[in-house]
Amino acid sequence: EPEVTQTPSHQVTQMGQEVILRCVPISNHLYFYWYRQILGQKVEFLVSFYNNEISEKSEIFDDQFSVERPDGSNFTLKIRSTKLEDSAMYFCASSSRQGVSIVGNQPQHFGDGTRLSIL
Amino acid sequence: AQSVAQPEDQVNVAEGNPLTVKCTYSVSGNPYLFWYVQYPNRGLQFLLKYITGDNLVKGSYGFEAEFNKSQTSFHLKKPSALVSDSALYFCAVRPVNKFYFGSGTKLNVKP
Repeated sequence: EPEVTQTPSHQVTQMGQEVILRCVPISNHLYFYWYRQILGQKVEFLVSFYNNEISEKSEIFDDQFSVERPDGSNFTLKIRSTKLEDSAMYFCASSSRQGVSIVGNQPQHFGDGTRLSIL
Repeated sequence: AQSVAQPEDQVNVAEGNPLTVKCTYSVSGNPYLFWYVQYPNRGLQFLLKYITGDNLVKGSYGFEAEFNKSQTSFHLKKPSALVSDSALYFCAVRPVNKFYFGSGTKLNVKP
């Protein structure tokens, strides 16, 4: 079964540094998402992406964050100047599209996450 | 404000007994409802979803969930728990184009 893959599995970065988290969604999926999960807390939506544009973003997704689909397979999350509170698990997800009328009800497939540790 | 509540941080059940993991939601419109499971050091795995139709939805690994519109609930159930069901379970609702997740319920199934 196709999977969403994320690299690296663990990233350790000094505060203030830029970090790029990488994701390879399932190949025929068109919708892409980033979530984060601070240790012991709930999963929080960050951003959704479709047709090379951000569809929706949460209040967490401020100017320090950006997403990009640099080629046909990768989907990246960049944090420009990391803060201690950015330490979390970051999950990428993707979903397919099945007709315009029911778009949005497809389950999202999640990667195993990147653990980001800010020192 | 949109919200999803999982009132129990932890549910303990003996193997072979039925289990219920509770979820209630408060969102506008008619959202899509989902359950995901998370095993240690892994991403979330889809279990089941409710879009429309029959209020009882069957999903993966023998799980099912019952949608109750009047109570705005979507409780996850399984008739007979397995030790391997022990994991973290998340309820999620999708009113538009993003997911709102509950805080998660840790399910412990003891032999």
